[in-house]
Amino acid sequence: EVQLVESGGGLIQPGGSLRLSCAASGFIFSNYAMAWVRQAPGKGLEWVSTLSSGGGSSYYAASVKGRFTVSRDNSRNTLSLQMNSLRAEDTAIYYCAKDLSVTARWDFDNWGQGTLVTVSS
Amino acid sequence: EIVLTQSPATLSLSPGGRATLSCRASQSVSSSLAWYQQKPGQGPRLLIYDASNRATGIPARFSGSGSGTDFTLTISSLEPEDFAVYFCQQRSHWPPTFGGGTKVEIK
Repeated sequence: EVQLVESGGGLIQPGGSLRLSCAASGFIFSNYAMAWVRQAPGKGLEWVSTLSSGGGSSYYAASVKGRFTVSRDNSRNTLSLQMNSLRAEDTAIYYCAKDLSVTARWDFDNWGQGTLVTVSS
Repeated sequence: EIVLTQSPATLSLSPGGRATLSCRASQSVSSSLAWYQQKPGQGPRLLIYDASNRATGIPARFSGSGSGTDFTLTISSLEPEDFAVYFCQQRSHWPPTFGGGTKVEIK
């Protein structure tokens, strides 16, 4: 059974930094692209970032480019998101998601439960 | 970026009823459209990919259709566990984008 467990969320002041992690199990992690998708409270879904299976190619939404950095450790089956210069509009539940295919398709067949990031003074 | 417009915003139906959800794209996304179900406090669950293919373990009462700019998710006979929010998502044009969601509630 595929499991994705996010951690690292919390309350942070504007301008601060936070690092999210996603622990993956139940599949060959190193074979799949992985993504972060966020959801502001009571709102819809917004794709944030995708990292290729080997970690060599990363993609970011315009709203976070230059502030967020995605990385992975395939030896530990872990995906991370380093978030810097946080803004109030980054407040959201952040989900880790597995790409549907071994070749990145940009749709997602397994999701975690999410971790809440609140940016507020 | 591609804008996906879902309608209606809320659908009030009884268990056993038929649900028809719409997703319209601002330009053609071919068949590169997925549908997700989300329940309170949970991450989304993939139901349909490539417009009409059911994901692993998804019951046959869920079906998807459409191509180009107009897509439909149909739930043939609502079960109690189907009352949730449904999102569509396109992957044809970067960046991938999601619709605003349709809430299916109990009438």
